Amino acid sequence: RKEVEQDPGPFNVPEGATVAFNCTYSNSASQSFFWYRQDCRKEPKLLMSVYSSGNEDGRFTAQLNRASQYISLLIRDSKLSDSATYLCVVNRGQGNLIFGKGTKLSVKP
Amino acid sequence: GAVVSQHPSRVICKSGTSVKIECRSLDFQATTMFWYRQFPKQSLMLMATSNEGSKATYEQGVEKDKFLINHASLTLSTLTVTSAHPEDSSFYICSATGGPQNQETQYFGPGTRLLVL
Repeated sequence: RKEVEQDPGPFNVPEGATVAFNCTYSNSASQSFFWYRQDCRKEPKLLMSVYSSGNEDGRFTAQLNRASQYISLLIRDSKLSDSATYLCVVNRGQGNLIFGKGTKLSVKP
Repeated sequence: GAVVSQHPSRVICKSGTSVKIECRSLDFQATTMFWYRQFPKQSLMLMATSNEGSKATYEQGVEKDKFLINHASLTLSTLTVTSAHPEDSSFYICSATGGPQNQETQYFGPGTRLLVL
């Protein structure tokens, strides 16, 4: 079983739609969690950290469920510029980041 | 702040040659630098972790004699792919921690695309 698993998609949604991505991780000792965004042929960029209490940044809401080892990202009111691959990332500790393969999102006009 | 650069951005070389990739933290001192590799449609895979002045720690399955890492200063790490072969063609990305926002946040360089013919 992969350490971080995501649905690869693609998710094709119209502008304005709400879309949710899920991710599961296998190592219960994982310490911190993130969502990164990666555009085609570019480096990943940090979107947001994920906390058990849930956290929101504008149109983006992230949630962590440690008991189920499950992480989610909700994007509301999708924009064309949200089209990218969203990477679920788990920190094993000491900076050792484990990346999921990513979920591809395509927002259409 | 917290900008990481990589050079070159892309390189094409013949099989058997060695290629050096530089990773620099431009506006902060990087306590630790990381080297990743990403094959098409695959996830980023950590290759090695390096701290300034000490030997790099390689992930399982990564040959340290093939991928030489030199972390000469707090702002520069280099990855040399020795005797490159076509299967080494990949997207190589470095990251660095130690930036202003959070000592643990990793700031990524723009990546280097290597094509070995």
